Amino acid sequence: DTGVSQDPRHKITKRGQNVTFRCDPISEHNRLYWYRQTLGQGPEFLTYFQNEAQLEKSRLLSDRFSAERPKGSFSTLEIQRTEQGDSAMYLCASSSKTDLNTEAFFGQGTRLTVV
Amino acid sequence: KQEVTQIPAALSVPEGENLVLNCSFTDSAIYNLQWFRQDPGKGLTSLLLIQSSQREQTSGRLNASLDKSSGRSTLYIAASQPGDSATYLCAPKRGIFGNEKLTFGTGTRLTIIP
Repeated sequence: DTGVSQDPRHKITKRGQNVTFRCDPISEHNRLYWYRQTLGQGPEFLTYFQNEAQLEKSRLLSDRFSAERPKGSFSTLEIQRTEQGDSAMYLCASSSKTDLNTEAFFGQGTRLTVV
Repeated sequence: KQEVTQIPAALSVPEGENLVLNCSFTDSAIYNLQWFRQDPGKGLTSLLLIQSSQREQTSGRLNASLDKSSGRSTLYIAASQPGDSATYLCAPKRGIFGNEKLTFGTGTRLTIIP
């Protein structure tokens, strides 16, 4: 098991374009989280899945943002009509299915730049 | 709403010194607290998980303590090395079903001077 995998690692897009990021969690982890991090700040929670169910969404997740985890395995985060303020590192994390008291493991992130 | 504060925001120490990083949080109803390190432009690497029922957790040169009732955690790094230079983040986790997110502070940027 190679850990949480995110793709792509870097994305440059023009304002107004749509982008989609993918996260592959650690195998058999049923909890999956998306965070956003801007320069000099800590990660901010966006949304969280348990299996395929999206259980919590932050108010940061505007109507332009949508996340899915259709089969309870990998997840995608889509941003529509990107704005310069969307430029950030998007981080994905996963944790175990059986116990709340388990570590969350993060991927290397997707760095989005909107020009 | 959980708020996390980390002090100091930045710290520079000579190699070999022991140091303490501080984390405080406003909501003591947590399941656990994780400490992470983050290298520039990279993701987060988990260092230690300390459960709400524990007072301390150790891994190598790292020791984390938790005082849940007062909303404080510390990360102690012994015999610091240049490779320890990174940003350190603490994140308490609220464990109620459907509300299991980690909440992060802005971190402490640590520089170890060779």
